[in-house]
Amino acid sequence: EAGVAQSPRYKIIEKRQSVAFWCNPISGHATLYWYQQILGQGPKLLIQFQNNGVVDDSQLPKDRFSAERLKGVDSTLKIQPAKLEDSAVYLCASSLGFSGGPYEQYFGPGTRLTVT
Amino acid sequence: AQTVTQSQPEMSVQEAETVTLSCTYDTSESDYYLFWYKQPPSRQMILVIRQEAYKQQNATENRFSVNFQKAAKSFSLKISDSQLGDAAMYFCAYRSAFTANAGKSTFGDGTTLTVKP
Repeated sequence: EAGVAQSPRYKIIEKRQSVAFWCNPISGHATLYWYQQILGQGPKLLIQFQNNGVVDDSQLPKDRFSAERLKGVDSTLKIQPAKLEDSAVYLCASSLGFSGGPYEQYFGPGTRLTVT
Repeated sequence: AQTVTQSQPEMSVQEAETVTLSCTYDTSESDYYLFWYKQPPSRQMILVIRQEAYKQQNATENRFSVNFQKAAKSFSLKISDSQLGDAAMYFCAYRSAFTANAGKSTFGDGTTLTVKP
Protein backbone atom coordinates (compact mmCIF):
# COMPACT_ATOMS: atom_id res chain seq x y z
CA GLU A 1 0.00 0.00 0.00
CA ALA A 2 1.11 3.56 -0.60
CA GLY A 3 2.56 5.37 2.40
CA VAL A 4 1.91 8.84 3.75
CA ALA A 5 2.79 11.44 1.15
CA GLN A 6 3.97 14.96 1.93
CA SER A 7 4.97 17.91 -0.19
CA PRO A 8 7.09 19.85 -0.58
CA ARG A 9 10.08 18.04 0.88
CA TYR A 10 12.04 21.23 1.44
CA LYS A 11 11.05 24.87 1.71
CA ILE A 12 13.06 28.01 2.38
CA ILE A 13 11.22 31.24 3.10
CA GLU A 14 11.91 34.58 4.69
CA LYS A 15 10.39 35.54 8.00
CA ARG A 16 6.92 37.06 7.78
CA GLN A 17 6.19 35.11 4.60
CA SER A 18 3.54 32.41 4.46
CA VAL A 19 3.93 28.72 3.64
CA ALA A 20 1.68 25.70 3.22
CA PHE A 21 2.36 22.00 3.55
CA TRP A 22 0.28 19.21 2.11
CA CYS A 23 -0.29 15.67 3.37
CA ASN A 24 -2.06 12.68 1.88
CA PRO A 25 -2.53 9.91 4.46
CA ILE A 26 -2.78 6.19 3.90
CA SER A 27 -6.12 5.28 2.38
CA GLY A 28 -8.68 4.37 5.02
CA HIS A 29 -6.83 5.98 7.92
CA ALA A 30 -9.29 8.05 9.93
CA THR A 31 -6.76 9.80 12.14
CA LEU A 32 -4.26 12.33 10.84
CA TYR A 33 -1.55 14.10 12.83
CA TRP A 34 0.71 17.05 12.20
CA TYR A 35 3.91 17.23 14.23
CA GLN A 36 6.68 19.79 14.48
CA GLN A 37 10.15 18.33 14.99
CA ILE A 38 12.86 20.82 15.87
CA LEU A 39 16.41 19.60 15.32
CA GLY A 40 17.56 17.42 18.22
CA GLN A 41 14.08 17.07 19.71
CA GLY A 42 11.21 14.64 19.47
CA PRO A 43 8.07 15.33 17.46
CA LYS A 44 5.62 17.70 19.09
CA LEU A 45 1.96 17.27 18.21
CA LEU A 46 0.44 20.34 16.61
CA ILE A 47 -2.99 19.08 15.61
CA GLN A 48 -4.88 15.81 15.36
CA PHE A 49 -7.87 15.12 13.12
CA GLN A 50 -10.40 12.32 13.30
CA ASN A 51 -11.91 12.18 9.82
CA ASN A 52 -12.41 15.89 9.07
CA GLY A 53 -12.92 17.02 12.67
CA VAL A 54 -10.27 18.37 15.03
CA VAL A 55 -9.84 16.31 18.19
CA ASP A 56 -6.77 18.05 19.60
CA ASP A 57 -5.18 21.35 18.64
CA SER A 58 -4.08 22.42 22.10
CA GLN A 59 -0.45 22.95 21.05
CA LEU A 60 -1.14 24.67 17.75
CA PRO A 61 -0.09 28.37 17.78
CA LYS A 62 -3.40 29.51 16.40
CA ASP A 63 -2.30 33.10 15.85
CA ARG A 64 -0.10 31.95 12.98
CA PHE A 65 -0.79 28.29 12.28
CA SER A 66 -3.90 26.82 10.72
CA ALA A 67 -4.81 23.41 9.39
CA GLU A 68 -7.67 21.73 7.65
CA ARG A 69 -8.50 18.26 6.47
CA LEU A 70 -10.56 18.27 3.33
CA LYS A 71 -13.33 15.65 3.16
CA GLY A 72 -11.54 13.62 5.79
CA VAL A 73 -8.64 12.76 3.48
CA ASP A 74 -5.91 15.24 2.49
CA SER A 75 -4.72 17.87 4.90
CA THR A 76 -2.99 21.24 4.64
CA LEU A 77 -0.97 22.98 7.35
CA LYS A 78 -0.34 26.70 6.90
CA ILE A 79 1.94 29.15 8.66
CA GLN A 80 1.30 32.86 8.25
CA PRO A 81 3.41 34.81 9.02
CA ALA A 82 6.45 32.60 9.61
CA LYS A 83 8.99 33.28 12.35
CA LEU A 84 12.59 32.17 12.64
CA GLU A 85 11.65 29.70 15.39
CA ASP A 86 9.32 27.89 12.98
CA SER A 87 12.35 26.34 11.29
CA ALA A 88 11.80 22.62 11.77
CA VAL A 89 10.69 19.44 10.07
CA TYR A 90 6.92 19.15 9.81
CA LEU A 91 5.80 15.55 9.95
CA CYS A 92 2.44 14.21 8.93
CA ALA A 93 1.30 10.85 10.25
CA SER A 94 -1.84 8.78 9.98
CA SER A 95 -3.37 5.82 11.80
CA LEU A 96 -6.46 3.67 11.52
CA GLY A 97 -7.84 5.22 14.69
CA PHE A 98 -6.85 6.74 17.97
CA SER A 99 -8.92 4.78 20.46
CA GLY A 100 -9.70 1.16 21.10
CA GLY A 101 -6.28 -0.24 20.38
CA PRO A 102 -2.53 0.38 20.11
CA TYR A 103 -2.76 1.75 16.60
CA GLU A 104 0.63 2.64 15.24
CA GLN A 105 1.25 5.88 13.44
CA TYR A 106 2.60 5.82 9.90
CA PHE A 107 4.80 8.79 9.18
CA GLY A 108 5.49 10.67 5.99
CA PRO A 109 8.97 11.82 4.94
CA GLY A 110 8.41 15.29 6.39
CA THR A 111 8.87 18.80 5.07
CA ARG A 112 12.02 20.59 6.16
CA LEU A 113 11.25 24.29 6.61
CA THR A 114 13.98 26.89 6.91
CA VAL A 115 12.96 30.42 7.82
CA THR A 116 15.64 33.06 7.16
CA ALA B 1 0.11 16.17 31.16
CA GLN B 2 2.20 13.19 30.25
CA THR B 3 5.95 13.46 29.82
CA VAL B 4 8.44 11.07 28.26
CA THR B 5 12.14 11.20 29.14
CA GLN B 6 14.98 9.56 27.27
CA SER B 7 18.05 10.19 29.37
CA GLN B 8 20.61 8.95 26.85
CA PRO B 9 21.01 11.42 23.96
CA GLU B 10 23.58 9.14 22.32
CA MET B 11 24.50 5.48 22.56
CA SER B 12 26.89 3.29 20.64
CA VAL B 13 27.17 -0.46 20.26
CA GLN B 14 29.48 -2.86 18.52
CA GLU B 15 27.97 -4.84 15.69
CA ALA B 16 26.49 -8.16 16.92
CA GLU B 17 26.35 -6.98 20.52
CA THR B 18 23.37 -5.98 22.65
CA VAL B 19 22.33 -2.48 23.65
CA THR B 20 19.56 -1.14 25.85
CA LEU B 21 17.91 2.23 25.40
CA SER B 22 16.16 3.80 28.37
CA CYS B 23 12.81 5.53 28.59
CA THR B 24 10.79 6.73 31.55
CA TYR B 25 7.41 8.40 31.50
CA ASP B 26 5.12 10.19 33.84
CA THR B 27 1.37 9.74 33.81
CA SER B 28 -1.60 9.52 36.13
CA GLU B 29 -3.52 7.33 33.70
CA SER B 30 -3.93 3.60 34.23
CA ASP B 31 -4.43 2.58 30.61
CA TYR B 32 -2.11 3.60 27.82
CA TYR B 33 0.17 2.35 25.07
CA LEU B 34 3.91 2.67 24.70
CA PHE B 35 5.87 2.61 21.48
CA TRP B 36 9.41 2.68 20.21
CA TYR B 37 9.88 4.31 16.83
CA LYS B 38 13.02 4.34 14.71
CA GLN B 39 14.04 7.27 12.51
CA PRO B 40 16.98 6.39 10.23
CA PRO B 41 18.99 9.29 8.81
CA SER B 42 16.97 11.08 6.12
CA ARG B 43 14.31 8.37 6.18
CA GLN B 44 10.81 8.04 7.54
CA MET B 45 10.01 7.14 11.10
CA ILE B 46 8.78 3.58 11.52
CA LEU B 47 7.40 1.54 14.38
CA VAL B 48 9.80 -0.85 16.09
CA ILE B 49 7.67 -2.29 18.86
CA ARG B 50 4.58 -1.53 20.95
CA GLN B 51 3.34 -2.43 24.44
CA GLU B 52 -0.12 -2.26 25.95
CA ALA B 53 0.00 -1.15 29.57
CA TYR B 54 -2.51 -3.74 30.77
CA LYS B 55 -0.33 -6.57 29.49
CA GLN B 56 2.28 -7.77 31.94
CA GLN B 57 4.19 -9.74 29.34
CA ASN B 58 6.97 -7.80 27.67
CA ALA B 59 6.61 -7.37 23.92
CA THR B 60 9.17 -8.86 21.55
CA GLU B 61 9.72 -8.45 17.81
CA ASN B 62 12.58 -10.56 16.51
CA ARG B 63 15.79 -8.93 17.81
CA PHE B 64 13.88 -6.18 19.63
CA SER B 65 12.35 -6.58 23.06
CA VAL B 66 11.19 -4.29 25.82
CA ASN B 67 11.44 -4.29 29.58
CA PHE B 68 8.18 -2.75 30.74
CA GLN B 69 8.05 -1.86 34.43
CA LYS B 70 4.65 -0.25 34.99
CA ALA B 71 5.13 0.62 38.65
CA ALA B 72 8.46 2.27 37.90
CA LYS B 73 7.06 3.87 34.72
CA SER B 74 9.96 2.54 32.76
CA PHE B 75 9.99 1.20 29.19
CA SER B 76 13.43 0.26 27.89
CA LEU B 77 14.27 -1.17 24.48
CA LYS B 78 16.79 -3.97 24.06
CA ILE B 79 18.35 -4.59 20.67
CA SER B 80 20.11 -7.93 20.40
CA ASP B 81 22.67 -8.89 17.75
CA SER B 82 22.95 -5.26 16.63
CA GLN B 83 23.27 -4.67 12.90
CA LEU B 84 24.59 -1.70 10.94
CA GLY B 85 21.05 -1.02 9.77
CA ASP B 86 19.96 -0.42 13.35
CA ALA B 87 21.81 2.89 13.37
CA ALA B 88 19.12 5.55 13.77
CA MET B 89 17.43 7.85 16.18
CA TYR B 90 15.04 5.99 18.47
CA PHE B 91 12.01 7.66 20.00
CA CYS B 92 9.97 6.42 22.90
CA ALA B 93 6.32 7.45 22.70
CA TYR B 94 3.36 7.37 25.07
CA ARG B 95 -0.23 7.34 23.91
CA SER B 96 -3.28 7.67 26.09
CA ALA B 97 -5.92 4.96 25.75
CA PHE B 98 -8.68 7.30 26.85
CA THR B 99 -10.91 8.64 24.11
CA ALA B 100 -11.40 11.83 26.12
CA ASN B 101 -7.69 12.51 25.70
CA ALA B 102 -7.98 11.89 21.96
CA GLY B 103 -5.37 9.20 22.25
CA LYS B 104 -2.85 11.98 22.60
CA SER B 105 0.74 11.03 21.83
CA THR B 106 3.83 12.33 23.58
CA PHE B 107 7.32 11.62 22.29
CA GLY B 108 10.68 11.70 24.04
CA ASP B 109 13.59 13.66 22.59
CA GLY B 110 15.23 10.56 21.19
CA THR B 111 18.43 8.55 21.50
CA THR B 112 20.87 8.47 18.61
CA LEU B 113 22.25 4.96 18.23
CA THR B 114 25.55 4.38 16.45
CA VAL B 115 26.53 0.87 15.43
CA LYS B 116 30.26 0.26 15.05
CA PRO B 117 31.45 -2.40 12.59
